[in-house]
Amino acid sequence: AQSVTQPDIHITVSEGASLELRCNYSYGATPYLFWYVQSPGQGLQLLLKYFSGDTLVQGIKGFEAEFKRSQSSFNLRKPSVHWSDAAEYFCAVGRGGGYNKLIFGAGTRLAVHP
Amino acid sequence: GAGVSQTPSNKVTEKGKYVELRCDPISGHTALYWYRQSLGQGPEFLIYFQGTGAADDSGLPNDRFFAVRPEGSVSTLKIQRTERGDSAVYLCASSLLVDGELFFGEGSRLTVL
Repeated sequence: AQSVTQPDIHITVSEGASLELRCNYSYGATPYLFWYVQSPGQGLQLLLKYFSGDTLVQGIKGFEAEFKRSQSSFNLRKPSVHWSDAAEYFCAVGRGGGYNKLIFGAGTRLAVHP
Repeated sequence: GAGVSQTPSNKVTEKGKYVELRCDPISGHTALYWYRQSLGQGPEFLIYFQGTGAADDSGLPNDRFFAVRPEGSVSTLKIQRTERGDSAVYLCASSLLVDGELFFGEGSRLTVL
């Protein structure tokens, strides 16, 4: 069965520091992978997605993620965090070739210290 | 520009009552999804509509849950005989293409006392 694990429930970083949020997935075929961000009072917003091709994916707001098939991982990174990045981040896996029946991880809550 | 609109934003009800949650997708989006997000969890898939029909309702937890989309636009999620375990944020999302990017609403927070 498909599943997504986000090992870190909470992460705190200082503004300007680099960030890496971990995501591991279980899926029998080539996965479609997504990162979403959820800020208070706002709906989930897509940061980036991986379907195929280049394993390093660029997204919005300066985020990137790297698909590593050998490690079943799709970690999210940002070189320099801004205070406005404080939010909850969700990794998700979807079935290929069809609609978006996404399986989400439990999320990682990011706090940013000034 | 109008995004996905969900009403009510908050609903408090008593155990055993009937509840309706409404979703107004982005105009022209044919695909519509309902997800449920419990406290401390990621969203969980409930049902997917393509047009007026429910193409996949495999995520509905039991027969107390039902959703409709009669004209292929607005959708209503209906919960009968609510239970305390139904308390969650119910998220609606729409997309232009079948496998296109999902645009989520802010959700309807349901509390069952």
